[in-house]
Amino acid sequence: RKEVEQDPGPFNVPEGATVAFNCTYSNSASQSFFWYRQDCRKEPKLLMSVYSSGNEDGRFTAQLNRASQYISLLIRDSKLSDSATYLCVVRVTAGTALIFGKGTTLSVSS
Amino acid sequence: DAGITQSPRHKVTETGTPVTLRCHQTENHRYMYWYRQDPGHGLRLIHYSYGVKDTDKGEVSDGYSVSRSKTEDFLLTLESATSSQTSVYFCAISEDRGRSDTQYFGPGTRLTVL
Repeated sequence: RKEVEQDPGPFNVPEGATVAFNCTYSNSASQSFFWYRQDCRKEPKLLMSVYSSGNEDGRFTAQLNRASQYISLLIRDSKLSDSATYLCVVRVTAGTALIFGKGTTLSVSS
Repeated sequence: DAGITQSPRHKVTETGTPVTLRCHQTENHRYMYWYRQDPGHGLRLIHYSYGVKDTDKGEVSDGYSVSRSKTEDFLLTLESATSSQTSVYFCAISEDRGRSDTQYFGPGTRLTVL
């Protein structure tokens, strides 16, 4: 079983749609969770950290379910500029490497 | 944006030649990392550094070496490049490796080994 698994997509949605991405991780000892965004042929950029209580940043909401080892990212009111690959990232403990999922590709069309 | 640059940005080389990639930061962050990204794989850690002259191996370190003689520079060397090392290489930095650690990535180096 891969350490961090994501549905690769692509997700093709119209502007204004709500879209949700899911991610599962295999190591129950994992402590830190992130979503990164990567545009085509660019570097990954931190979108948001994911906290146990769930957190929101504008149109983006992240949720964590430790019991199910499941992380989600919800994007509301999709914009053309949201088109990118979204990377689910996990770290087991402080001081260890980040573990990246392969990414989920989102394409928002007008 | 974090002050991270990578050089060269693109390189084409031949099998068996040595290659050195440079990562330079202006943030004075302690931790630096080298990743590679390939189709069908997530980013994978090659080596990382936790201070000047302090480095350690990552998941895919075979065929790579690193050096860090100054806080701001982290070099990745392919002693004898192979076609399997054709990839996009990203450098990342972080201020600490605590629980809230966030890594910031450089623009990447696209390496092709013929």
